[in-house]
Amino acid sequence: AQSVTQPDIHITVSEGASLELRCNYSYGATPYLFWYVQSPGQGLQLLLKYFSGDTLVQGIKGFEAEFKRSQSSFNLRKPSVHWSDAAEYFCAVGGNNNDMRFGAGTRLTVKP
Amino acid sequence: GAVVSQHPSRVICKSGTSVKIECRSLDFQATTMFWYRQFPKQSLMLMATSNEGSKATYEQGVEKDKFLINHASLTLSTLTVTSAHPEDSSFYICSARGGRGLTEAFFGQGTRLTVV
Repeated sequence: AQSVTQPDIHITVSEGASLELRCNYSYGATPYLFWYVQSPGQGLQLLLKYFSGDTLVQGIKGFEAEFKRSQSSFNLRKPSVHWSDAAEYFCAVGGNNNDMRFGAGTRLTVKP
Repeated sequence: GAVVSQHPSRVICKSGTSVKIECRSLDFQATTMFWYRQFPKQSLMLMATSNEGSKATYEQGVEKDKFLINHASLTLSTLTVTSAHPEDSSFYICSARGGRGLTEAFFGQGTRLTVV
């Protein structure tokens, strides 16, 4: 069965600092991987996705993620965090059976 | 990206009543729709997957008679919480995908249900 682990429940970074949010997945075949962001009381916005091809994926808002099959990881990165990036981030894995599984989420706090 | 509209955004109902939540794909045909439930400060839990014109597939532990899902058209799916109880209070989110094979899903803005 597919599953996603986000080891960090809460991360605090200073504005302007770099960010890396970890995501590990378990899936029997080639995974399709996603990162979503959620602001309080809101739905989810897709940051980026990996289906195939280049393992370094560029997303919106300056985010990128790298698919590493050997490590079963799909970590999200941003070189310089802005205060508006404070939110909840979810990693998700999907397969050909049409469903998606989400990680527990990582809450990002940005210090001034 | 494609737009998914979820309505209502907030609803308060009395215990024992039923509440219907709508999920519409506005600019694409959604062959598959998903319903999730999210508890405060927790992740999304997939409740069910529905394909247009067929019965929804419910995840283990989700009561299908409690959470009625209808996906009658390619642009509309509804979730009805029947005989609501306070423990059904939660944030419900739908998502929709179009086409065949794997494509990304687009999410609605969610519905905050409070049962009093």
